[in-house]
Amino acid sequence: AQTVTQSQPEMSVQEAETVTLSCTYDTSESDYYLFWYKQPPSRQMILVIRQEAYKQQNATENRFSVNFQKAAKSFSLKISDSQLGDAAMYFCAYRSFNTGGFKTIFGAGTRLFVKA
Amino acid sequence: GAVVSQHPSWVICKSGTSVKIECRSLDFQATTMFWYRQFPKQSLMLMATSNEGSKATYEQGVEKDKFLINHASLTLSTLTVTSAHPEDSSFYICSVKGNTEAFFGQGTRLTVV
Repeated sequence: AQTVTQSQPEMSVQEAETVTLSCTYDTSESDYYLFWYKQPPSRQMILVIRQEAYKQQNATENRFSVNFQKAAKSFSLKISDSQLGDAAMYFCAYRSFNTGGFKTIFGAGTRLFVKA
Repeated sequence: GAVVSQHPSWVICKSGTSVKIECRSLDFQATTMFWYRQFPKQSLMLMATSNEGSKATYEQGVEKDKFLINHASLTLSTLTVTSAHPEDSSFYICSVKGNTEAFFGQGTRLTVV
């Protein structure tokens, strides 16, 4: 079974600075998706960024980028120029490409605090 | 992405009663939906996979007779918490399987008193 591990329960960053959230996962599959979701106080899950495992290029979405290391099974999220609105829970998630019922498995989450 | 509407947003019920939570896919044919449960300050735990027109697949440890799932159409899945008890109080989130990522409802906070 696949597992997702986020070893940082909490992180803090100064506004306008850069922060990196860590995520590792375990799978025997070669094709899969990895995601970072943001959950603000409203509890609505918001997709931040997506990475297809077959793509070597790291995904980037504006201030958000990932460092995807497939061999190491590592998928970290870098937030540049942090803003107060970035404060939230961040979940790393895994989804099989075409097996396992397509269910999304989540890590334990990292709570990000942004200091003004 | 798909728009997923979950109703109600919050509900309070008496112990022993049943509560139904609806998950609607407003603009996407949802052959597969997922139900998650989230305790305070914890992650989303998958409860079951709901497939249109067939029986739901429950994760290990989830009581299928307590958490009844019905997915009768491509736009609606329902989760009924039967004979609710205070320990069932939690945040329940549904999601719709997309081509790549899942799309989430806004969640339902259930409080059993």
